[in-house]
Amino acid sequence: DSGVTQTPKHLITATGQRVTLRCSPRSGDLSVYWYQQSLDQGLQFLIQYYNGEERAKGNILERFSAQQFPDLHSELNLSSLELGDSALYFCASSPWTSGSYEQYFGPGTRLTVT
Amino acid sequence: AQSVAQPEDQVNVAEGNPLTVKCTYSVSGNPYLFWYVQYPNRGLQFLLKYITGDNLVKGSYGFEAEFNKSQTSFHLKKPSALVSDSALYFCAVSPKLNAGKSTFGDGTTLTVKP
Repeated sequence: DSGVTQTPKHLITATGQRVTLRCSPRSGDLSVYWYQQSLDQGLQFLIQYYNGEERAKGNILERFSAQQFPDLHSELNLSSLELGDSALYFCASSPWTSGSYEQYFGPGTRLTVT
Repeated sequence: AQSVAQPEDQVNVAEGNPLTVKCTYSVSGNPYLFWYVQYPNRGLQFLLKYITGDNLVKGSYGFEAEFNKSQTSFHLKKPSALVSDSALYFCAVSPKLNAGKSTFGDGTTLTVKP
């Protein structure tokens, strides 16, 4: 168990809908990352937050947004969902201090868009 | 742009034999390098990292990796493979100057046969 929790574990929704994925980082970790894992595109970095502020951005679509709250939990919002958004979404956290940039991954949320 | 290549989709070894999973990278400036392992239906688990210092780094479960700057490689090794090592392995790189922006390889499936 990495100490990172993600809810829900599974989500089934229809095209055009909006969903929110939630992540709680390990105790003491200030940084949160979001990734999308699909069979055809592998593991894609979406976005990183550090102590409430966006720090790095990857291949995140404009329909997707995220935030990190004062208690350090994070939410990933996916809107106008398309079939191609079906994937496993991982959250990871990291101490993100000098020498400690390794990431600890949650179990993931499996999103199915029908 | 940074990138990671894991040239082998699959590596097969016999139990007790040494194993190597290859990784090469491209990044601006000095890299931070990581290996992660993913078991079926689980999130990624951190194995080891290279930040600075000794080129040979040791990690969890008897794994080690060697950073080779001239060959821009960070191959994962283990002297004696176990059946339980069978999993999907990911190499990842972050640039030192933007450590939050991680790029993962496509993964290598390691199968250890008894």
